Amino acid sequence: KQEVTQIPAALSVPEGENLVLNCSFTDSAIYNLQWFRQDPGKGLTSLLLIQSSQREQTSGRLNASLDKSSGRSTLYIAASQPGDSATYLCAVHNTDKLIFGTGTRLQVFP
Amino acid sequence: EPEVTQTPSHQVTQMGQEVILRCVPISNHLYFYWYRQILGQKVEFLVSFYNNEISEKSEIFDDQFSVERPDGSNFTLKIRSTKLEDSAMYFCASSVVSGTQYFGPGTRLLVL
Repeated sequence: KQEVTQIPAALSVPEGENLVLNCSFTDSAIYNLQWFRQDPGKGLTSLLLIQSSQREQTSGRLNASLDKSSGRSTLYIAASQPGDSATYLCAVHNTDKLIFGTGTRLQVFP
Repeated sequence: EPEVTQTPSHQVTQMGQEVILRCVPISNHLYFYWYRQILGQKVEFLVSFYNNEISEKSEIFDDQFSVERPDGSNFTLKIRSTKLEDSAMYFCASSVVSGTQYFGPGTRLLVL
């Protein structure tokens, strides 16, 4: 059974820092991996999707990498801003469904 | 930019009552999904729907749950007899193919 874990559970950093969020999964037979952002009490905003054949994907200040063989993905956020404060979720595509991690709650303070 | 919409944003109901949660997926999308998130817990998959039928469902999606696409635009989740433990945020999502899933803002369901 696929299990998705995210470390750290929470992170608090000063504005301007570069940071890395980690996601690991137990079964490497995935289709894709998707990173989301969730603001408190809100829906999920898709940030990046990495296909299983890709190693990384970039969007603005975000860069996500995928190492299927080791069951890991990282989300790199460059030059963090207070507006980046949110919970970041990774989810692996397993057949039709997404299996989510527990999330990393990020706070960026001015 | 097209987005998934959901109504209502909040629903309060009594235990044992039926509720219908509504979603309008992105118009050219073919795959539709329901997920839920109990407060403080992970987002959990409930069901996927394609070509007017359920393609996959989780253990959570028992006989109390059903989904329907009553017309060309709406996608609904019905809970026949709500329980206290059904209290959660329910998210609808859609995708063109089995790729990026786009989520709606959610319906917060509270069962009393």
